[in-house]
Amino acid sequence: QKEVEQNSGPLSVPEGAIASLNCTYSDRGSQSFFWYRQYSGKSPELIMFIYSNGDKEDGRFTAQLNKASQYVSLLIRDSQPSDSATYLCAVRAGGYNKLIFGAGTRLAVHP
Amino acid sequence: DTEVTQTPKHLVMGMTNKKSLKCEQHMGHRAMYWYKQKAKKPPELMFVYSYEKLSINESVPSRFSPECPNSSLLNLHLHALQPEDSALYLCASSQELGQGAFFGQGTRLTVV
Repeated sequence: QKEVEQNSGPLSVPEGAIASLNCTYSDRGSQSFFWYRQYSGKSPELIMFIYSNGDKEDGRFTAQLNKASQYVSLLIRDSQPSDSATYLCAVRAGGYNKLIFGAGTRLAVHP
Repeated sequence: DTEVTQTPKHLVMGMTNKKSLKCEQHMGHRAMYWYKQKAKKPPELMFVYSYEKLSINESVPSRFSPECPNSSLLNLHLHALQPEDSALYLCASSQELGQGAFFGQGTRLTVV
């Protein structure tokens, strides 16, 4: 069974701080990695994807991938209360044409 | 336009009813998906279509029947559902299989 694991949280950070969300995966052949944000009662929204080792930045978001250690992380700089949501990590495992989702980490940014 | 449109937004149906969920995208995506999501759980894959052909069926009960009439449309036909099938049903699409998928706003289904 291909697995994707996330700490369920809640991760509580003060406004303006850096929020760090982590995800580990079991399949070394995994190829593509995605971060989704899901507000309560809404559908998931794709916010970042990363395919290669290293960092990828988009605005306040940075995705980091370390294939050797089998983890992917999402950093949110200058966290805002509007960032409070559940963040889902999704991985395309090697040889599979589907995404496997982690259980999600709930982020709470307090003023 | 990164939009996937689902109808209806809410649906209440009895266990003997037949209903259909509809999904539409005009992004030229060739892969379309149905997911089911229960409260505080991640989305759970049900079906995947690629180039209008069923590619993956995650051992979903036959009371759920998908249909892909063309490259822009995806339906999910529902029949004789159980109360435990109540959930948020999400449609998604991606350029190709296995790429990042864009989700519709979902249909919140209640089976009574």
